[in-house]
Amino acid sequence: NAGVTQTPKFRILKIGQSMTLQCAQDMNHNYMYWYRQDPGMGLKLIYYSVGAGITDKGEVPNGYNVSRSTTEDFPLRLELAAPSQTSVYFCASSLDPTFKNIQYFGAGTRLSVL
Amino acid sequence: AQSVTQLDSQVPVFEEAPVELRCNYSSSVSVYLFWYVQYPNQGLQLLLKYLSGSTLVKGINGFEAEFNKSQTSFHLRKPSVHISDTAEYFCAALTGNQFYFGTGTSLTVIP
Repeated sequence: NAGVTQTPKFRILKIGQSMTLQCAQDMNHNYMYWYRQDPGMGLKLIYYSVGAGITDKGEVPNGYNVSRSTTEDFPLRLELAAPSQTSVYFCASSLDPTFKNIQYFGAGTRLSVL
Repeated sequence: AQSVTQLDSQVPVFEEAPVELRCNYSSSVSVYLFWYVQYPNQGLQLLLKYLSGSTLVKGINGFEAEFNKSQTSFHLRKPSVHISDTAEYFCAALTGNQFYFGTGTSLTVIP
């Protein structure tokens, strides 16, 4: 059981380039999340999804886009990379966050925009 | 919006000593509370959670936390720490569909 898989693990982008961070889970979880983690700032929610075809903005969605065409995959798109998007990005999934179930996190993608 | 405050950014403690990592949350509505641990270059792992019922919650690796509604706190404790407990610890609150994380506390266990 792989859990939550994120690719790539590391990436360096030039300003203005675009890229997609991949996230896949094999636990048949309905809920999926994208966070960014900046030093001393904790995790901030970028986008989340409560099921295939449904996405919603979190605290810091500007500069990002997401889609959820399948239950398994939840890619995060950066269209015009900016230095402010240098961060560590975590994807997470949960069957149902409201009671007994927990979030499972991927290992993260470390992105530098230069 | 919910906010979560972790009062200490860094906590050094000697091996086998007790430790408390402090966390306060802001919401007055129903909220679920969590503590996560992050080891270097890894994702977050759940230590424990408070959903309802007993205010003292026990988690993995000998950690426990106490939910205090009047003080809006959810402090994490361990009576005797080990070197392997050196990590970053995050307190989080779930309100609706969204998790709100604190800024983290770096626990360093000194031999």
